Amino acid sequence: AAGVIQSPRHLIKEKRETATLKCYPIPRHDTVYWYQQGPGQDPQFLISFYEKMQSDKGSIPDRFSAQQFSDYHSELNMSSLELGDSALYFCASSSNTDTQYFGPGTRLTVL
Amino acid sequence: AQRVTQPEKLLSVFKGAPVELKCNYSYSGSPELFWYVQYSRQRLQLLLRHISRESIKGFTADLNKGETSFHLKKPFAQEEDSAMYYCALRGGGYQKVTFGTGTKLQVIP
Repeated sequence: AAGVIQSPRHLIKEKRETATLKCYPIPRHDTVYWYQQGPGQDPQFLISFYEKMQSDKGSIPDRFSAQQFSDYHSELNMSSLELGDSALYFCASSSNTDTQYFGPGTRLTVL
Repeated sequence: AQRVTQPEKLLSVFKGAPVELKCNYSYSGSPELFWYVQYSRQRLQLLLRHISRESIKGFTADLNKGETSFHLKKPFAQEEDSAMYYCALRGGGYQKVTFGTGTKLQVIP
């Protein structure tokens, strides 16, 4: 069965650069959630989208933005990267069954 | 490799009945175990973690290393407990949290 796909799996950037992370939900899933997990930390909710509209917003910095496209994939755009942005970013998708299915994550390293 | 197994996709109980959501894990070292709750279409919220040994909303969970289990329990279910519950594991250092597939708890009035 198809799972949540995230790309890239690993990304290395320098401070002040920009990064774009992509999440492809399971087919027919209409909701995408983004989480950030720092080293040795718990996952923190960033933002979610339902039917291409932002449905909830968590501790997402103003330097970050995200959107969900017509094909339901989502992109997390991160600008003016800081060392503290180094983390694992993973997304989850769900349909009206509410079960969240988690992607493998993108590991971002900011040098 | 780390793995979390939640064998029940759906658990229905009557209000006031005891609840036990099962979670088994596979990890070679000493993991941190968590339970997260998700109310309908909302974000995941941390319910409890094994290292704090606290009780949240009447829920408790004990880490049983011999059985590699971390079952979530509550003596008397309430209607507001109806939600999705995810067991999660984090290995040491930079390892990511691994979530189980979730159990939907349905409390029947």
